[in-house]
Amino acid sequence: KAGVTQTPRYLIKTRGQQVTLSCSPISGHRSVSWYQQTPGQGLQFLFEYFSETQRNKGNFPGRFSGRQFSNSRSEMNVSTLELGDSALYLCASSVEGRDNEQFFGPGTRLTVL
Amino acid sequence: GQNIDQPTEMTATEGAIVQINCTYQTSGFNGLFWYQQHAGEAPTFLSYNVLDGLEEKGRFSSFLSRSKGYSYLLLKELQMKDSASYLCAVRDSNYQLIWGAGTKLIIKP
Repeated sequence: KAGVTQTPRYLIKTRGQQVTLSCSPISGHRSVSWYQQTPGQGLQFLFEYFSETQRNKGNFPGRFSGRQFSNSRSEMNVSTLELGDSALYLCASSVEGRDNEQFFGPGTRLTVL
Repeated sequence: GQNIDQPTEMTATEGAIVQINCTYQTSGFNGLFWYQQHAGEAPTFLSYNVLDGLEEKGRFSSFLSRSKGYSYLLLKELQMKDSASYLCAVRDSNYQLIWGAGTKLIIKP
């Protein structure tokens, strides 16, 4: 069974630009969650999508948005990038979101210059 | 606010036992998770506790006390490959996962 995949793995952008990250969950998983990971801060929850609907949202500004497609693939968009957005962005999938285990992808390392 | 506390870094010797503590204050409780994350890799699931007590899984055990807002991860017979960060997370009343900053475990020969 293929794991969670994320593309691209690495990205370099400049301030003010926008970026779109993609996540393909494990086949059969309908819940996708996104996290931002920075050194010393741990994982910060961005949002969760289930069956194409945003079910939960963390405390991030509106510049961070996402969506989920009918095949459960999810995208995350960050507009007007700031230096502080440099981080590892992880997505995790699970069957229905309230399972006892989430499966993480390898992450996208975003650097904003 | 919601808060998860765990030590930043711990050092242990190969073959020994180490206990990583996690204390939490969250809005509601729907389970506590431990994940392992090697440098540059994705977190991988280790354990899930929702009831008080000890859950044992091979060399790893996880304990939960809901009344004390406390959990620990116990690693026995440490191996060099156990060098990693260990992440504690609590699922709150909204089913959001609240994460600690992680404990970096260094294993010395």
